[in-house]
Order: sequence, then structure tokens, then C-alpha cells
Amino acid sequence: DAGVTQSPTHLIKTRGQQVTLRCSPKSGHDTVSWYQQALGQGPQFIFQYYEEEERQRGNFPDRFSGHQFPNYSSELNVNALLLGDSALYLCASSLGGGGGNEQFFGPGTRLTVL
Amino acid sequence: QKEVEQNSGPLSVPEGAIASLNCTYSDRGSQSFFWYRQYSGKSPELIMSIYSNGDKEDGRFTAQLNKASQYVSLLIRDSQPSDSATYLCAVNVLTGGGNKLTFGTGTQLKVEL
Repeated sequence: DAGVTQSPTHLIKTRGQQVTLRCSPKSGHDTVSWYQQALGQGPQFIFQYYEEEERQRGNFPDRFSGHQFPNYSSELNVNALLLGDSALYLCASSLGGGGGNEQFFGPGTRLTVL
Repeated sequence: QKEVEQNSGPLSVPEGAIASLNCTYSDRGSQSFFWYRQYSGKSPELIMSIYSNGDKEDGRFTAQLNKASQYVSLLIRDSQPSDSATYLCAVNVLTGGGNKLTFGTGTQLKVEL
């Protein structure tokens, strides 16, 4: 049973650049949520995708955007990178877009913005 | 007031002891509660979920929920050095059909030999 996968593992970018992170959900799951985790903090909710639509969004600027594909995989795009965007980006998958369903995290992508 | 509050620790317990981790939340509409374990440099791993008042046991772990007091806790019995990690409390609130998890900042647990 394949778990949640994310790519790339690590990424280094410079300010102003754009980045795309990818996530494949756990087998059988159809919902993908993205989180940002700064050092020493808990994960912060960015947005959730279900049925290829953004269902809910956290307090993140429009520079953060996403997409979900028909196979349930998802991308997170961040434009005009800032130094403060340096963080661990986590993807979590779950079954069903509603309800208090358990979310399972992937290994994360470590983004460093120089 | 933060939505989900945890004592950052570190909480130090001797091997074999019971570790007690606590979490309070502010939104009375919260319906689902989760505990995640995160080792340094790794992603969070789900260890317990609880949805109704009372206790839920799974091996050495017991989650306790008191919605009236807006309080959820995690007990780890027979603590082992491998339990040393940061424990994240997460609370789910249903809004607009979505499933948003709000996390605390985590409690660092150190199990000493």
C-alpha cells in the first residue's frame, strides 16, 4: 500500500523565483491538503483540494496556488518567492472532502529561499 | 488566544514512566481531534484520533477528550527512548464542508534512560 509521496525532497530557490511542488496521495484517497511548517512551529494549513477544486483555504496570499489532477495528485505553486517562504511543505491525503477524516502526511519538501 | 495551545516543553520523563501531554482548543465547534508524532527532520505521523468524549486506547497510547473543558490529552505508558519526539495536537473544524486541521506548536518529549 503506497503511502503519500512528495517531490522534490529538497529545493533551493532565490527570491522572486517560482516553484512547483508535487504530491501523490495514499492509495484510495481522493483529498489532498497542503501545509507549511516553519522551524519550531506546527503545520499551517494552506488549502485543500477535493474533486479537482479548492475546497478551503487558509491565510495565505494569492502567490500560493494549487491544482488537483483527475488521478487525485496535486501541485502547489508559489510565485514571487520571499525569504519567509523557506519552510517544510507538507502534503496530507485523506478520504472524502468533508468530515473529520484522518489525514496522512507525506515526507515533505524542504524549500530554501536565498 | 491561540486556536490550539500546547506546552512547548521539553517534557522530560524517565524510561518506563507515563508521559502526559496536554492540549486545549478554543473553537467549540471542533469535532475531531488528532495526535501526531514528529521526529526531528521528519514529517508528522498520525498516532491517535478521537471523536467523542472519554478515553481511547491503542497499545501504549491513550487519548482523552473532554469537549466541555475543550481539552484533549495523550498518555504514553511505559515510555521508551524511541518515544522522544515532538507531539502535535491537531483539531478539525468543519467549515463549508472542508476539512481543515489546526495544529498546536507541539510539545517536545524527552524520555531519559
